[in-house]
This record gives sequence, structure tokens and C-alpha cells, in this order.
Amino acid sequence: AQKVTQAQTEISVVEKEDVTLDCVYETRDTTYYLFWYKQPPSGELVFLIRRNSFDEQNEISGRYSWNFQKSTSSFNFTITASQVVDSAVYFCALSEAFGGGYQKVTFGTGTKLQVIP
Amino acid sequence: NAGVTQTPKFRVLKTGQSMTLLCAQDMNHEYMYWYRQDPGMGLRLIHYSVGEGTTAKGEVPDGYNVSRLKKQNFLLGLESAAPSQTSVYFCASRSLPDEQFFGPGTRLTVL
Repeated sequence: AQKVTQAQTEISVVEKEDVTLDCVYETRDTTYYLFWYKQPPSGELVFLIRRNSFDEQNEISGRYSWNFQKSTSSFNFTITASQVVDSAVYFCALSEAFGGGYQKVTFGTGTKLQVIP
Repeated sequence: NAGVTQTPKFRVLKTGQSMTLLCAQDMNHEYMYWYRQDPGMGLRLIHYSVGEGTTAKGEVPDGYNVSRLKKQNFLLGLESAAPSQTSVYFCASRSLPDEQFFGPGTRLTVL
């Protein structure tokens, strides 16, 4: 069964510090998709990135970067030079093909990031 | 293009009452989902649908029923609400294998 673990429940950093949010997943499948979502204090869920299991290339988008390592089943998310607006709960999610398709998406329990000015 | 909408946004029920949450999407997505979010538990899948007329159980289906009579709508029903169903409910839709698009959420309190 698919499982996503976000061991960091809460993280506090001072503005402009770098921070890495960890995500470890379990899957029996060789083909799967990984996602990161952001949930700001306003409550909506905002999509950040999708990664195919065949694409291990790291990705950078502005201050955000993602490190995907199949060997350790990890898909970590780094925010460089954090800002107060980055304060949110961040969710990692997994969608695997096993069991009839990619329909089911499993979420981790989330990491609450607080950026202190 | 409204994306995913949820009705209502807030609701307070008494134990034993019933209600239906409505999710609507205008993106022609085949797949729709209902999640509940509780503190420290992340998002847990209640039920999902892979197309009009189909539904399937997720991780925590007990106490809930769903229907997908029209492609654009996915209804979540609580037949006899319990305090344990106090939660924030999110609906999402998706076109495989893309990301899910989420609604704004419904905050439900059962007294």
C-alpha cells in the first residue's frame, strides 16, 4: 500500500533562512507521481509541483527547489531565503498505478512551517 | 471558469441530523475526490469517483455515502452525523495523471 511520511510536524525558521521539508514515500509500483501542495492560513490547497517517477532531475522554481531521490524514496522540498509569506502547511502526496490506476492520491500528514520575521 | 466549488462553506449539525455536501467542477475532469482534514492527520480520502455513475471507497468511508449522477457533480452525504465527523471537507477533481484541483473546503461541526 502506498504511504507518505512527513516526519517534521512543525518547523520554525527566521526569515531569510533556508529550510528543507522532508518527504519519504512507500510504494510497490515502479511508475508513480509525487506532488507537493501548500496550504496557507487562509485554508485553500495550492498545487506546487508534480514529479514523474521516471524523472529524477531536480527542479528549481524561484526560491523553491525539489530533490527527488528514488534510491532513498524521498522527495524533499527546499525553500531558499524564506519569507513570511511562506508560512503554511505543506503536504507531500503520492499517486501510484498499482491497484487499477493512478486514481488514488495519498497525502502525508503535512509539515507546518512558520517563518518568523 | 470557476474551477472546483463546494456548497456550503460552513455548517453546524446536531448529532443524528443528515446533510449533503455538493462539489461541482467545470473542467470536465473524470476523477473526483472527497477528503477530510483533521489536525495532525493530513488529508484522508473518504470516497472517490473515476467517472459518472461510479464511486469507490477510500481510506475512511464509514458514515458517508456519495453519488456521481452527473460528471460535474460529486455529492457527499452524511446520513446520521456524529461528533467524530466534525472536520474540514475538501473536494478535488483531476484529469490523470495531473494534479488535483481542490475546492475551498467546507467546515462542518457536529454538536
